[in-house]
Amino acid sequence: DIVMTQSPDSLALSLGERATINCKSSQSVLYSSNNKNYLAWYQQKPGQPPKLLLHWASTRESGVPDRFSGSGSGTDFTLTISSLQAGDVAVYYCQQYYSTPWTFGQGTKVEIK
Amino acid sequence: EVQLVQSGAEVKKPGESLKISCKGSGYSFTNYWIGWVRQMPGKGPEWMGVIYPGDSDTKYSPSFRGHVTISADMSIATAYLQWSSLKASDTAKYYCARGVGAEPSGADYWGLGTLVTVSS
Repeated sequence: DIVMTQSPDSLALSLGERATINCKSSQSVLYSSNNKNYLAWYQQKPGQPPKLLLHWASTRESGVPDRFSGSGSGTDFTLTISSLQAGDVAVYYCQQYYSTPWTFGQGTKVEIK
Repeated sequence: EVQLVQSGAEVKKPGESLKISCKGSGYSFTNYWIGWVRQMPGKGPEWMGVIYPGDSDTKYSPSFRGHVTISADMSIATAYLQWSSLKASDTAKYYCARGVGAEPSGADYWGLGTLVTVSS
């Protein structure tokens, strides 16, 4: 199985600050034939299902604010929230869909300081 | 509007069987994979398996293979997750989710979840 490891486990920032969440996979999730990274980022708020923010590592889903961005390739990825808003308080997960079983990271909890 | 509507909460005893459902609407059911995700209380989500309704090809996570069965009835646009013998450790919320397309991808639509409680 591909193991997804996120860091940090939690972070607390002030409103308007930049949040950076890292995700490392135990093997590359870059598919060479199409040059796509098989990685998604989700946001989960209490009592709600996960919400897809980005897939292919950096493609933003429709309706997701552009303060959310994704970068990275191969085994190292980053989710950036450029200016933290109160509504961004949630747990964020990365997930690989390169090979089955698809696997999630352990999650990063984002709070307001 | 795309919707995934899941069946209601269940309370079962260990050893009992259970089948929960996920009905898709607002899109062509056979053109998108449907997956099932377990989330235990206070824990992160775990993919259990995925079914491609067009050909019923099903992929299971090794952690769940042999303990659950994923199926789909295309005629009523409904996917299922079933257990033949529940354990207390199956207590969790179970989500169904739809892929962005027919190929591996992120999951862009989710059901609200079915809470399964297994207790003697």
